[in-house]
Amino acid sequence: EVQLVQSGAEVKKPGESLKISCKGSGYRFTSYWIAWVRQMPGKGLEWMGIIYPGDSDTTYSPSFQGQVTISADESITTAYLQWSSLKASDTAMYYCGRQGMATITGFDYWGQGTLVTVSS
Amino acid sequence: DIQMTQSPSSLSASVGDRVTITCRASQSISTYLNWYQQKPGKAPKLLIYAASRLQSGVPSRFSGSGSGTGFTLTITSLQPEDFATYYCQHSYSTPYTFGQGTKLKIK
Repeated sequence: EVQLVQSGAEVKKPGESLKISCKGSGYRFTSYWIAWVRQMPGKGLEWMGIIYPGDSDTTYSPSFQGQVTISADESITTAYLQWSSLKASDTAMYYCGRQGMATITGFDYWGQGTLVTVSS
Repeated sequence: DIQMTQSPSSLSASVGDRVTITCRASQSISTYLNWYQQKPGKAPKLLIYAASRLQSGVPSRFSGSGSGTGFTLTITSLQPEDFATYYCQHSYSTPYTFGQGTKLKIK
């Protein structure tokens, strides 16, 4: 069974760093792209970026380029999203999603989401 | 970046109704168009990919159509569990942007 399991909720202060995770199982982790999606409170879905764990090829949305870092460790089948200096505006739910075998197939499996709260 | 525009932003309907949601791309995306359903507090769920292909396990009352810049999601015979927010997303070129969402409410 394909599963993406994300790390738990985080409460941080502005300026702190954070790395959240998304562990894949039940499939060949290195063969599928993993994307990160932000959902601010009461708002819609925003595509942040995507990584191919097989070679760590990564693309960011211009809106998030330089604001976050996406990485993956194929040895533990886990993708990451990290911030070096959080802002209050980073408060949101963050989802990881697996892109199907081709770009035309959409994101067929999702993690349960990680709620990040940034507050002084 | 390709912009995705959904309409309407919200929609009220009754159980048993047929509803249609529209999504427009700012440039041609062929059939690289996906539809997702999201319920409160839950992750999105893929309903339709490649504009018209039904994802495995999704009821046949959901259907999608369109190509180029115009797409529709149709739900026939609405069920109570269908009241949710629906998003379109293109996967033609990065960034794979989403539409702003359509909230389907019970009338």
